[in-house]
Amino acid sequence: AQTVTQSQPEMSVQEAETVTLSCTYDTSESDYYLFWYKQPPSRQMILVIRQEAYKQQNATENRFSVNFQKAAKSFSLKISDSQLGDAAMYFCAYRRLSDMRFGAGTRLTVKP
Amino acid sequence: GAGVSQSPSNKVTEKGKDVELRCDPISGHTALYWYRQRLGQGLEFLIYFQGNSAPDKSGLPSDRFSAERTGESVSTLTIQRTQQEDSAVYLCASSGGFGGDLNSPLHFGNGTRLTVT
Repeated sequence: AQTVTQSQPEMSVQEAETVTLSCTYDTSESDYYLFWYKQPPSRQMILVIRQEAYKQQNATENRFSVNFQKAAKSFSLKISDSQLGDAAMYFCAYRRLSDMRFGAGTRLTVKP
Repeated sequence: GAGVSQSPSNKVTEKGKDVELRCDPISGHTALYWYRQRLGQGLEFLIYFQGNSAPDKSGLPSDRFSAERTGESVSTLTIQRTQQEDSAVYLCASSGGFGGDLNSPLHFGNGTRLTVT
């Protein structure tokens, strides 16, 4: 099984500031996808951003962007201009074919 | 419906009883996943369905856990002789296309919170 590691159990950011959440993964494959999901207290898992491994360009979705380093097997999420509504658990995920694995999550707190 | 639906949203049961958790995926989604999430923890993979077949049952924690899917639609996760350690949120997710459609993200339901007393 592929492993996904999020080394930061908790992170905190001031409103309007920028924060980066870390994720590393282990795989011997070259073709796969990576995702970041957000889980607010409502329990709903919400897709934030996705990255195709064969693309060198980092994915961006509004205030959310990733730093994908394929050789280092690193996939960090940057949240710019943090908002109170960004407070949630964030999960990094790896997918290849039917195998989809999640990291343990990072709890993000946004301070007003 | 527009999204993945799970029922019940909450279930309290006594230790030793059997429970059934239901998942209605998005119509047309062929892939269906079950995950377990203990309080404050990440998602633990349980089982994956492609159509009505379960090619990957590797995550089921014991023989007390079983799952089935019918009509390439509804799935039921059954836990027999429940134990307190089974208390968790059980999340179901579906995705379009076959397992080979790497680009297809998972769409999640809101989960069933199971409490075993």
